[in-house]
Amino acid sequence: NAGVTQTPKFQVLKTGQSMTLQCAQDMNHNSMYWYRQDPGMGLRLIYYSASEGTTDKGEVPNGYNVSRLNKREFSLRLESAAPSQTSVYFCASSGGQGTKETQYFGPGTRLLVL
Amino acid sequence: GENVEQHPSTLSVQEGDSAVIKCTYSDSASNYFPWYKQELGKRPQLIIDIRSNVGEKKDQRIAVTLNKTAKHFSLHITETQPEDSAVYFCAASRGTGGFKTIFGAGTRLFVKA
Repeated sequence: NAGVTQTPKFQVLKTGQSMTLQCAQDMNHNSMYWYRQDPGMGLRLIYYSASEGTTDKGEVPNGYNVSRLNKREFSLRLESAAPSQTSVYFCASSGGQGTKETQYFGPGTRLLVL
Repeated sequence: GENVEQHPSTLSVQEGDSAVIKCTYSDSASNYFPWYKQELGKRPQLIIDIRSNVGEKKDQRIAVTLNKTAKHFSLHITETQPEDSAVYFCAASRGTGGFKTIFGAGTRLFVKA
């Protein structure tokens, strides 16, 4: 099992460019999440998907959109990148056979917006 | 909105000493409280968790306590080792998978050899 995978690992964008961050999990989890991590601010939830076909806003959704493509995949889109979106982005999933609430994180995507 | 406060932001201890990190949550409906460890450049990983119907849980050198009335929960690491050096995050969540999890801002723990 690969667990939670994310692509790309690194990305540099210019202000106004768009991009999609990809996330996939092979643990048959129902729920998936996108977080951003900024220095000194912990992990802040951008969007989450409780189950296939549903998405909900988290703490900091402005400037982002998401798509739950199927049970395995959950993508995050920046339509018009801004320097304030420079961050490390983590995808996570939960809902396995054990503790359903436990979130398993991907390796992260480091995004720099110039 | 809901929030989780975590203290201290930085903690430095001598190898072999104990370390305690404290968190306070605001959402009284929270019933699941995980702790994550994040090493430099790596992803957060669960190290221990506790549910609201339990007051304390131990796993070798790590323990977590929960005071639901006061909305406090704490992480205790005994006999600290240099490999315990990392950032630790507490979090609070309600319900089973699919609900929002709110994270604390993190505690950077340094264990000096």
